[in-house]
Amino acid sequence: EVQVAQSGAELKNPAESLEISCQGSGDDFANYWIGWVRQVPGKGLEWMAIIYFRNSETKYSPSFQGQVTISADKSIGTAYLQWRRLKASDTAMYYCATTRDGNFRWDFWGQGTLVTVSS
Amino acid sequence: QSGLTQPASVSGSPGQSITISCTGTSSDVGGYDYVSWYQQHPGKAPKVIIYDVTNRPSGVSNRFSASKSGNTASLTISGLQADDEADYYCESFAGGVYVFGTGTKVTVL
Repeated sequence: EVQVAQSGAELKNPAESLEISCQGSGDDFANYWIGWVRQVPGKGLEWMAIIYFRNSETKYSPSFQGQVTISADKSIGTAYLQWRRLKASDTAMYYCATTRDGNFRWDFWGQGTLVTVSS
Repeated sequence: QSGLTQPASVSGSPGQSITISCTGTSSDVGGYDYVSWYQQHPGKAPKVIIYDVTNRPSGVSNRFSASKSGNTASLTISGLQADDEADYYCESFAGGVYVFGTGTKVTVL
């Protein structure tokens, strides 16, 4: 069974950098897409970016283009989301989700990583 | 892309049926048969309950059904149960990227 495990909660100061991770297990992830979803406390879900493990093709939602960087290491089935300079407004729960190429729904979800940005 | 439009809240009594709408554009909901619905209980990750407009993943109750007409998709929950109380989000493929709906809180009275 496919499982997705995310890195732990983070408490950061504004302007600091951050990278969070998401590792899949239970299958060969070469043919999987993996993506990141933001959920601000008390608010809805927002797609941020997705990446294809096989060739690292990336797609960013317009609102997040230039704000974050998605990357992946297919050898270890792990995807990353990186910020260069955090802002207080980046405080949110971040979920990763994955699906096989050719599917258009997100079957497997991580447990979420809470990022708190506060001075 | 802007979020797909959903009603903020819908409520119903146990055993009743409710329907949640999801309105997009020809660039997302109306342009592809790749609409999914997710259920999210408080403090939990979302779970897909409908994909490709009408299909249920294995293990999802047949009380959940969905359809699409033009730029609007709909989710119906029949025989409402206490455990159905959750947030529901539609999602559509939009040509390379995905977009979620604004979310609907379902309350079981």
